[in-house]
Amino acid sequence: QQQVKQSPQSLIVQKGGISIINCAYENTAFDYFPWYQQFPGKGPALLIAIRPDVSEKKEGRFTISFNKSAKQFSLHIMDSQPGDSATYFCAASSNQAGTALIFGKGTTLSVSS
Amino acid sequence: DVKVTQSSRYLVKRTGEKVFLECVQDMDHENMFWYRQDPGLGLRLIYFSYDVKMKEKGDIPEGYSVSREKKERFSLILESASTNQTSMYLCASSYSGSPFFGPGTRLTVL
Repeated sequence: QQQVKQSPQSLIVQKGGISIINCAYENTAFDYFPWYQQFPGKGPALLIAIRPDVSEKKEGRFTISFNKSAKQFSLHIMDSQPGDSATYFCAASSNQAGTALIFGKGTTLSVSS
Repeated sequence: DVKVTQSSRYLVKRTGEKVFLECVQDMDHENMFWYRQDPGLGLRLIYFSYDVKMKEKGDIPEGYSVSREKKERFSLILESASTNQTSMYLCASSYSGSPFFGPGTRLTVL
């Protein structure tokens, strides 16, 4: 079963616009929610992460919004730039020993200039 | 500087061959992971290991095995490669929290 659902599959945004990617999870034991960014030919790299004790976390132009009751979290990229064009993955895991990150299917973002 | 290295960036093998994908990390991390990445399917966990000689099955372990004889090295083995194992294979390691990924090995099975 798919434990982390990510949407949209692809996204085209104008330069300077806001990019929004959404994820929903099912397992209430999840307590760690990172976002990864992947450029072509590279492995995914951690972008930003949140734990459910806060509803929002911001790092520069990147913000995670978290809604625990709805079991949803989203990535907002403000003032999107062509250099942000990449594939973005949300993920989730629990704090239990011996567990691993479960990833969404990814969103390909293209920022047009 | 954090580093996860994978033995090959590109690999072409024949159906039925035994294939070894090697991964080495230099961060003294306890946990190591193998994922495969396919378009539209995201990253799917094959196996992971939280200690030397320990392994746990992920979501798609069928057709794969792993070996972790040393802390820094985690190998993925395809006992008899098949065409449906053509994919990008990503190794990662972590101490706690988010894993660091290697650059990936693109495996083609003909």
